[in-house]
Amino acid sequence: SYELTQPPSVSVSPGQTATITCSGDKLGGRHVSWYQQKPGQSPVLVIYQNVNRPSGIPERFSGSNSGNTATLTIRGTQAMDEADYYCQAWDSRTGVFGGGTKLTVL
Amino acid sequence: EVQLVESGGGLVQPGGSLRLSCATSGFTFSDHYMDWLRQAPGKGLEWVGRIRNRANSYTTEYAASVRGRFSVSRENSKNAVYLQMSSLKTEDTAVYYCSRPLEGAVTAFGYWGQGTLVTVSS
Repeated sequence: SYELTQPPSVSVSPGQTATITCSGDKLGGRHVSWYQQKPGQSPVLVIYQNVNRPSGIPERFSGSNSGNTATLTIRGTQAMDEADYYCQAWDSRTGVFGGGTKLTVL
Repeated sequence: EVQLVESGGGLVQPGGSLRLSCATSGFTFSDHYMDWLRQAPGKGLEWVGRIRNRANSYTTEYAASVRGRFSVSRENSKNAVYLQMSSLKTEDTAVYYCSRPLEGAVTAFGYWGQGTLVTVSS
């Protein structure tokens, strides 16, 4: 089965750039989405089709996808961005998620 | 405004069955795919299953972990989607979310409900 691998945790200082990676075989040939989930809340889509931001998502969130790695970048990270982040793709008509990355802003 | 509201969660014994419902509003229901996802306590997200729209003959797909035990269906007259779960196992304990893809991007889970908790335990 297809697997997506994320680092368990990433730390960033306020105002700096946070980078969260997602690795999978030939991932660059797939559409990757990213979700933000804060404690006790439902996930929120922040990036879809590798690079697109849904309405209402701040411009500081951006995505890229090439080769075997997709990347979520948060520029000017704010305290409110502290959350779990999940990458997601499709394989053989089934949805696949990465294990999630806990972003700590300190 | 798109709204998704799950219901039907609760405590069920291993081997038992449960049906979850998701009431929707704010969009033309029959035009859209619908998904079920879940999250075990303290764990990550897992996609469970999908039912496509009218144009794609309402076909379904399932995760390997639930195939043969779970079934997704929809009732367009009620703008509702269902998840029928049978032969439940303790590892099916999770918050179950209903989701709808974003417009023009069926690969992305654009809208989510608040979730309903299913606990499988004796």
